[in-house]
Amino acid sequence: QVQLVESGGGVVQPGRSLRLSCAASGFTFTRSPMHWVRQAPGKGLEWVAAISSDGSDKYYTDSVKGRFTISRDNSKNTQYLQMNSLRADDTAVYYCVREVAVVNDYWGQGTLVTVSS
Amino acid sequence: DIVMTQSPDSLAVSLGERATINCKSSQSVLYSSNNRNFLAWFQQKPGQPPKLLINWASTRESGVPDRFSGSGSGTDFTLTISSLQAEDVAVYYCQQYYSTPRTFGQGTKVEIK
Repeated sequence: QVQLVESGGGVVQPGRSLRLSCAASGFTFTRSPMHWVRQAPGKGLEWVAAISSDGSDKYYTDSVKGRFTISRDNSKNTQYLQMNSLRADDTAVYYCVREVAVVNDYWGQGTLVTVSS
Repeated sequence: DIVMTQSPDSLAVSLGERATINCKSSQSVLYSSNNRNFLAWFQQKPGQPPKLLINWASTRESGVPDRFSGSGSGTDFTLTISSLQAEDVAVYYCQQYYSTPRTFGQGTKVEIK
C-alpha cells in the first residue's frame, strides 16, 4: 500500500534552517510528481511546492520562493524540502503529497515545524 | 493565482439529512481541450491528513461512499452529502489543480445538529 512518511520537523529559531524528508513506498516513485502542502495550527491548507517526476521542474508558492528548495532522490524514493531563513509564519504541519494523473491523491501524516525563539 | 471561496464556513446538519457545500473559483478551471474540470474535494478529520474524496469535480475516489457526490463546472461547484452520517463530521476543502499554485478553499466545517 502507498506510504508517505515525513520526518525532520521540530522546533527551530527564526532565521535558521531545517530539512524535511518524505520517504515513499508502495508505488512507483519515479513516475509521480510530488508536492508539499502545509497547514498552520487551526488553519486551512496551503500548497507550498512541487517537483516533477524526474526532478527537472520545480514550482513554489510566492511566500517561500528564494527560501525553500524542493528536491528528490529517485534512487532513495525520497523527496526533500530544504527550508532556510525560517519565519514564525512558516509554523505548520508539512504534508508530503503524491500526484497521480495530475491529481493530489495521497497524503502523508505530516511533520510539525515550529519556528519560535 | 486562482482564489477558491467556499460557503458556508460551517454548517450543522441532522443525521440522515443532506449537507451541501459550495466552492467558487475566481476563474474557470474547465480545460476546454478535454472538457474536464480541474477541481477536487478533500475531507479532513481531526488529527488526520486530508483524504481525497472526489476529483475532476464529480469522480468519486474508490472506496468513497456514494452518499458523497460532486457537481458543477467552470467556476461553481458543489459537494453534497446526501445523508449525513456521524463519521462525516470533518472539514471539507475544495482544491483547483488547473494552474500553479494549486489553491484551496478556506474549508467548511460540517457538524451534527
